[in-house]
Amino acid sequence: AQSVSQHNHHVILSEAASLELGCNYSYGGTVNLFWYVQYPGQHLQLLLKYFSGDPLVKGIKGFEAEFIKSKFSFNLRKPSVQWSDTAEYFCAVNADPISGTYKYIFGTGTRLKVLA
Amino acid sequence: DTAVSQTPKYLVTQMGNDKSIKCEQNLGHDTMYWYKQDSKKFLKIMFSYNNKELIINETVPNRFSPKSPDKAHLNLHINSLELGDSAVYFCASSIRGDTQYFGPGTRLTVL
Repeated sequence: AQSVSQHNHHVILSEAASLELGCNYSYGGTVNLFWYVQYPGQHLQLLLKYFSGDPLVKGIKGFEAEFIKSKFSFNLRKPSVQWSDTAEYFCAVNADPISGTYKYIFGTGTRLKVLA
Repeated sequence: DTAVSQTPKYLVTQMGNDKSIKCEQNLGHDTMYWYKQDSKKFLKIMFSYNNKELIINETVPNRFSPKSPDKAHLNLHINSLELGDSAVYFCASSIRGDTQYFGPGTRLTVL
């Protein structure tokens, strides 16, 4: 069965520190990859996505992610975090989008707390 | 204009009751979803509908039933509510497998 793993469940950083959140998936076919963010008390919203092309994708608020096919990974990065980045971050995979099953799988989430 | 809306925002009810949560999207998307987020923030997909056809039905109790009167609406009906049903329920929509747009959530508390 397909799965998505986020290795860091809780991350605490000081402002201006660099961030990297890991995401690995288990599926050998074509995938669409996403990172979503959920700010406290709010709904999920898209940070960035990868479908094809340049494996380094840039999203909103200075976030970027790199797709490494050989490692089945899609790690999220930000060079310098801000207090306002405190949120829950979810990696998601749409496994086999071409077939039309639209099977979305979310990781368990990483709670990021940025200290001012 | 709100893209994906849910009502109610909060729902407090007694065990054994039947309740519904409504969801509407005005984005013209063809696929809608229901998710359950528990207290640990785990997000579990419950259902998705594509063009009025149920295409994913995860192993949720049959007390939960999605109802889609048209492409813009996907309501969630829950029978015989249990304490473990307490969670935040999110509706979402997308065009096929592309970005999902989430509603504001419905916080369900079963007493």
